[in-house]
Amino acid sequence: DAGVTQSPTHLIKTRGQHVTLRCSPISGHKSVSWYQQVLGQGPQFIFQYYEKEERGRGNFPDRFSARQFPNYSSELNVNALLLGDSALYLCASSSLDPGGEQYFGPGTRLTVT
Amino acid sequence: GIQVEQSPPDLILQEGANSTLRCNFSDSVNNLQWFHQNPWGQLINLFYIPSGTKQNGRLSATTVATERYSLLYISSSQTTDSGVYFCAVVYGNKLVFGAGTILRVKS
Repeated sequence: DAGVTQSPTHLIKTRGQHVTLRCSPISGHKSVSWYQQVLGQGPQFIFQYYEKEERGRGNFPDRFSARQFPNYSSELNVNALLLGDSALYLCASSSLDPGGEQYFGPGTRLTVT
Repeated sequence: GIQVEQSPPDLILQEGANSTLRCNFSDSVNNLQWFHQNPWGQLINLFYIPSGTKQNGRLSATTVATERYSLLYISSSQTTDSGVYFCAVVYGNKLVFGAGTILRVKS
């Protein structure tokens, strides 16, 4: 079975632009979460979606938004990019809500110049 | 919010040595996961362990939820064990990660 997939793998953007990151969960998983990992730190929670509804939001500005589609895939959108948004963005899927074991994708490495 | 602390922050081992990584958390949690992050950033699931002890090959983990800590044991370390080890607690509907332990295994 395929694991969690994310696209693109790498991305370079300029300050002020917007970006869309995509995630496909493990087949049968209905929960998708997004995390941001800056260099040298542990991942930080951004959003969780379950059955297309937002179930949790971390301490991130409104420039960050997400949605989940009927097939349970998800998009993370970031507007008005700042240099500080440069990070590894990780998507995780789980079969349970809340608290199920989470499985992570390979991540999208975003560089903002 | 909940605090998750990992120790030690860095660890250098000779191949074949054993090690213990610790994770302390400041509040009751629903569950706990251990991950190994490889050099390419992929988080690999090691254990999903709310309490008790689990073993998988050379790795084992113990969580004592009542005392709010978990331990990850690595025996007979290999160079491929190098990387960052994260503890993450299930707190509500999210994972809260510690800062990680950087493990370097020398041949």
